[in-house]
Amino acid sequence: DAKTTQPPSMDCAEGRAANLPCNHSTISGNEYVYWYRQIHSQGPQYIIHGLKNNETNEMASLIITEDRKSSTLILPHATLRDTAVYYCIVSYGNNRLAFGKGNQVVVIP
Amino acid sequence: GEEVAQTPKHLVRGEGQKAKLYCAPIKGHSYVFWYQQVLKNEFKFLISFQNENVFDETGMPKERFSAKCLPNSPCSLEIQATKLEDSAVYFCASSQLSSWAGGNNEQFFGPGTRLTVL
Repeated sequence: DAKTTQPPSMDCAEGRAANLPCNHSTISGNEYVYWYRQIHSQGPQYIIHGLKNNETNEMASLIITEDRKSSTLILPHATLRDTAVYYCIVSYGNNRLAFGKGNQVVVIP
Repeated sequence: GEEVAQTPKHLVRGEGQKAKLYCAPIKGHSYVFWYQQVLKNEFKFLISFQNENVFDETGMPKERFSAKCLPNSPCSLEIQATKLEDSAVYFCASSQLSSWAGGNNEQFFGPGTRLTVL
């Protein structure tokens, strides 16, 4: 029941910004956009979330379009340790996280 | 604790045997979630708790799966009569009680329990 669409995979150059797109055209007004990633087979790791405004933290930036139908996660300076599956998820409150297939991002030296 | 703890790390069961997995949420977190990851990328939500009460059990296969979160004990997920298709990594996550409905549903995940059914 994932409500987001992401490319299945992408490569990024080490040291460059990585821009990860996500479409969520059916997002509801009260739903937030969350980004998680799973490195290898570890537990998913929270990255960032937002509602309407762009957000930035120590890991990444999140750009949400004005109509909220899509967003972009930006890793400002990709490192080899950023190689992971990235999940874009829409969720509200303490509801379940509906993981889709994610985007396998490989950072290339 | 500061991290979600899951035990055991690995569990091997013969088909038809019982499997019990444990999860200690982060201290102070009121919500606990269980997810099943069968293939590398496919997560399936199973059940969530708000303290010891079931919050959402719509993902739970009712026939063989059960879960509990009792006060002062780790939460548990039990599978009676395991089947081959139950082989997966089971992740537990916890989150804080939101003071208002809406954002900041940051879920902290444990390292998972890998269940192999032979």
